[in-house]
Amino acid sequence: NAGVIQTPRHKVTGKGQEATLWCEPISGHSAVFWYRQTIVQGLEFLTYFRNQAPIDDSGMPKERFSAQMPNQSHSTLKIQSTQPQDSAVYLCASSLTGGTNTGQLYFGEGSKLTVL
Amino acid sequence: GDSVTQKQGQVTLSEDDFLFINCTYSTTTYPTLFWYVQYPGQGPQLLLKVTTANNKGISRGFEATYDKGTTSFHLQKASVQESDSAVYFCAHTNTGKLTFGDGTVLTVKP
Repeated sequence: NAGVIQTPRHKVTGKGQEATLWCEPISGHSAVFWYRQTIVQGLEFLTYFRNQAPIDDSGMPKERFSAQMPNQSHSTLKIQSTQPQDSAVYLCASSLTGGTNTGQLYFGEGSKLTVL
Repeated sequence: GDSVTQKQGQVTLSEDDFLFINCTYSTTTYPTLFWYVQYPGQGPQLLLKVTTANNKGISRGFEATYDKGTTSFHLQKASVQESDSAVYFCAHTNTGKLTFGDGTVLTVKP
């Protein structure tokens, strides 16, 4: 079975440009999560969807960041007007149910964003 | 707020040494607790999971015990191998999302 697929694996943008990251969850999984990983901040939760509906976006920066899940087979994370501090590895994960206390997330390999 | 704390940023061992990685949690309820492992170039993957029902998780020679008294969830392995070199994260959930500790980089020398 294919795991969580993230594209692109690497993206370099100039300051002020837009970046869109894609995630294809494992087929049959109903929950999709986005995390950001940096050396300084570690693994930070951004947002998650269950059955395509946004459930918790408490970790999303309120400006410039948005996430969508238009269908069950993919989710996107869009960063407008990228800044150097947005440089990170963005990780997408899916889980079978996404309910409280399930916790078994299957992560993709991540998309490394570098903002020059 | 709810959190998990890993105080050891780095651990360096030799093969066959005993591994102990500290993790404590601070929550208002009894969450489900996890250890994830991340190898270079990959996303984290679940190593083991423990709930209040089973109290102990064991996987691939690693084990962790849920201790409500000390609010701890330490990871142990009797004899590490070079292939265990990775970053280990403890994590918890009781609201549907996982919250991770800062991670412990384990380096095992041959």
